[in-house]
Amino acid sequence: DTAVSQTPKYLVTQMGNDKSIKCEQNLGHDTMYWYKQDSKKFLKIMFSYNNKELIINETVPNRFSPKSPDKAHLNLHINSLELGDSAVYFCASSHRGEQFFGPGTRLTVL
Amino acid sequence: GDSVTQMEGPVTLSEEAFLTINCTYTATGYPSLFWYVQYPGEGLQLLLKATKADDKGSNKGFEATYRKETTSFHLEKGSVQVSDSAVYFCALGPNSGGGADGLTFGKGTHLIIQP
Repeated sequence: DTAVSQTPKYLVTQMGNDKSIKCEQNLGHDTMYWYKQDSKKFLKIMFSYNNKELIINETVPNRFSPKSPDKAHLNLHINSLELGDSAVYFCASSHRGEQFFGPGTRLTVL
Repeated sequence: GDSVTQMEGPVTLSEEAFLTINCTYTATGYPSLFWYVQYPGEGLQLLLKATKADDKGSNKGFEATYRKETTSFHLEKGSVQVSDSAVYFCALGPNSGGGADGLTFGKGTHLIIQP
């Protein structure tokens, strides 16, 4: 009965590949997010989706594209992966300002 | 824009010591304030929160008070344990009325508690 889940937990891939990370929440929240945590543990928001509408895109390269098939899912698709994309990506959902985070996906680009 | 500044780590303490991790913020309006904790290899867990000035958030022996006059939200614990070793993030976000804005995080403070 995990609240916010992500798959895969680890993802190792070559430069130039295209990959996706999936996120699902069973909390019934209307808003979901993707955050990137770099090697120094700094967290920065990438996207948020509210009722299937993109609300924020914080100057993220257009190689990153969030896709939300329904309110409970927000997947992250990344084209043409680069070395600098290596990081931990966290999905989250929110209700009344409080955010609930998934366990993270560690992406390593070789 | 909004920003959060917290003390750089690592912070190393002995078990049962008193802990303070400083956090200050700049924001427009009246944000909510949060402390999140990240244990090794895990995601972020909400530790405590405060939604308006003078509110005190508390959980697991940790406390923080929303100080609007000093724009601060310092985290304190009277007696730390080895199991408190983790990275602690101060964050600000939309007020309790909700909204789709994400959280703005500080850079995190790595806390190490030695037996």
